[in-house]
Order: sequence, then C-alpha cells, then structure tokens
Amino acid sequence: SQTIHQWPATLVQPVGSPLSLECTVEGTSNPNLYWYRQAAGRGLQLLFYSVGIGQISSEVPQNLSASRPQDRQFILSSKKLLLSDSGFYLCAWSVEGRGNTGELFFGEGSRLTVL
Amino acid sequence: GQNIDQPTEMTATEGAIVQINCTYQTSGFNGLFWYQQHAGEAPTFLSYNVLDGLEEKGRFSSFLSRSKGYSYLLLKELQMKDSASYLCAVGPGGYQKVTFGTGTKLQVIP
Repeated sequence: SQTIHQWPATLVQPVGSPLSLECTVEGTSNPNLYWYRQAAGRGLQLLFYSVGIGQISSEVPQNLSASRPQDRQFILSSKKLLLSDSGFYLCAWSVEGRGNTGELFFGEGSRLTVL
Repeated sequence: GQNIDQPTEMTATEGAIVQINCTYQTSGFNGLFWYQQHAGEAPTFLSYNVLDGLEEKGRFSSFLSRSKGYSYLLLKELQMKDSASYLCAVGPGGYQKVTFGTGTKLQVIP
C-alpha cells in the first residue's frame, strides 16, 4: 500500500532563518507531488506541484522554493523565513496519468511558526 | 481561474441531517471533491463527482450539478465525531491541480 510521510511535524523558527521540509512517498511510482499551505482560518493554498523529477511548477510568488531530487521525494525550502510563512504545510500525492480522478493523499502536515 | 464558495460555519444536532453547499466558477472542470479535515490534522478524501447526480457512500452523499456550478455534501445521522471542516475542491481541465475552497467548519452539538 502507498504511504506518505513528511517531517518535521512541528517547528518554531526565527525570522530570517532557513527552512527545509521533506516529504517522501512509498509504494507508488512517478506520483504527482504537491505542497499546500493552510494559514490560520484560511483554505488550502497550492504552492508547488511536480509531475516528475526536476519538474516544479510554482503557483504563487513567494520566498519559498521546491525541489524533487528523486521520484518520490519532495522538498520545500526557504533561505530566509518571513513572519507570513507561518502556517500548516501539507505535502500530498496523486496518481500520475490521465484517467485518474486527481484524489489527493496527504501527509501528516508540518506546523511552522515563525517568530 | 477558480472561485469556490462555501459557508464558513454551520452547527447541527447529533442524529440530524446537514447539507453543506458549494458553488464554483472555473475555467475548466475535471471533477469536484469533498474532503474532511479534523482540527490540526490533514484532510482526508470523502467523495468525488464528475457527472451530474448524487453519489452515496454510507452516511455521506455528494451531489453535483455542472450546469449550475453547484454541489452539496449531505451528512446523515450526525455523530459528534463529524465535527470537522469540510473542504470543497475542484479539479480544472487538467488533472494535476486541485483548488480548494476555504472550508465549512461544522460543529455537531448534543
């Protein structure tokens, strides 16, 4: 069966510090991968999605970046965090290819607080 | 672009039925999803509609009208554990991206 894990689960970082969130998927090949952010009281905002190794699409301008160094690994990074980067970050995957419904399978989430 | 509207909050009584509405305006459409999200947790998939009509799955049902850009999630025999946010989400013409509404926070009271 397929599983998705992301870490760390919780982190508190000072403004201006770097960030690295990691996500891995097991039990499937060539998944579509996504990073979403959910700010307090707001909906899920798509940040990045990837359809293959090294292929990253950014949905919103920001000081965050994403990388996909391996087929089932997706990393969210920042060189200098802002207060506005605080939120609940969710990694997700979906089945690649036409004919799939696009159902998303989410990781456990990473709660980031920037102080 | 995508625009999805759903009520912010709803309250319902244990054992009752509640209907959560969602309206959407999209440049393309490839299906409508409902997800459940308990506080502090990740969303989990509830239902998917791509054709007009009602899809039933146990206590939960989801309805879609593509011509009206409208969907609803129906929860029957409400239980306290159904207290959660319910997210409406729409897939565009492609299949890679899904856009979420802001969610409806449902509180079930005794």
